[in-house]
Amino acid sequence: KAGVTQTPRYLIKTRGQQVTLSCSPISGHRSVSWYQQTPGQGLQFLFEYFSETQRNKGNFPGRFSGRQFSNSRSEMNVSTLELGDSALYLCASRSITGGRLTGNTIYFGEGSWLTVV
Amino acid sequence: DQQVKQNSPSLSVQEGRISILNCDYTNSMFDYFLWYKKYPAEGPTFLISISSIKDKNEDGRFTVFLNKSAKHLSLHIVPSQPGDSAVYFCAASAIRNTGKLIFGQGTTLQVKP
Repeated sequence: KAGVTQTPRYLIKTRGQQVTLSCSPISGHRSVSWYQQTPGQGLQFLFEYFSETQRNKGNFPGRFSGRQFSNSRSEMNVSTLELGDSALYLCASRSITGGRLTGNTIYFGEGSWLTVV
Repeated sequence: DQQVKQNSPSLSVQEGRISILNCDYTNSMFDYFLWYKKYPAEGPTFLISISSIKDKNEDGRFTVFLNKSAKHLSLHIVPSQPGDSAVYFCAASAIRNTGKLIFGQGTTLQVKP
């Protein structure tokens, strides 16, 4: 069974630009969430989607947005990039079915490294 | 407000010995806890989890212990192997926010041959 797949793996953008990152969850997983990892702030939750609806949101500005498609794939977008947005962006998925432990175990992709210059 | 804390930034252990990684939490609404292993430039890899109805869960060389009264959990790795050298994160979620993980800062484990 393929894991969580993220594209692109690495990208460099200029301040003020926008970026879109893509994520394909594990087959059968209906929930997709996004996290940001930086050296200073660690791993922080951005948002979660399932059934194409945002279910949960972390403490990030409105420049960070996401969406989920009917096939459970997800994209996140960051507009008006700032230098501080340079980070590893991680997508994760969970099944939400199959019992309390199985449905709630969250699996991560390899991440997309974003550098803003 | 750091709701999940890993107070030891690093730990060094000899191969074959036990590694014990600790994690404390403050939010009593947390009821599901997970440990992840992470290498640089890669995503976290799920290791083991425990729900608040249990106090211990084992999977091979990995055992997680939960002490709810102390709001403390620990991950035991026995025996430790050089390949276990990585950053270990504990994470917690609350029953009403099961898709949202709160992570600790991580502990870097080095297992020396």
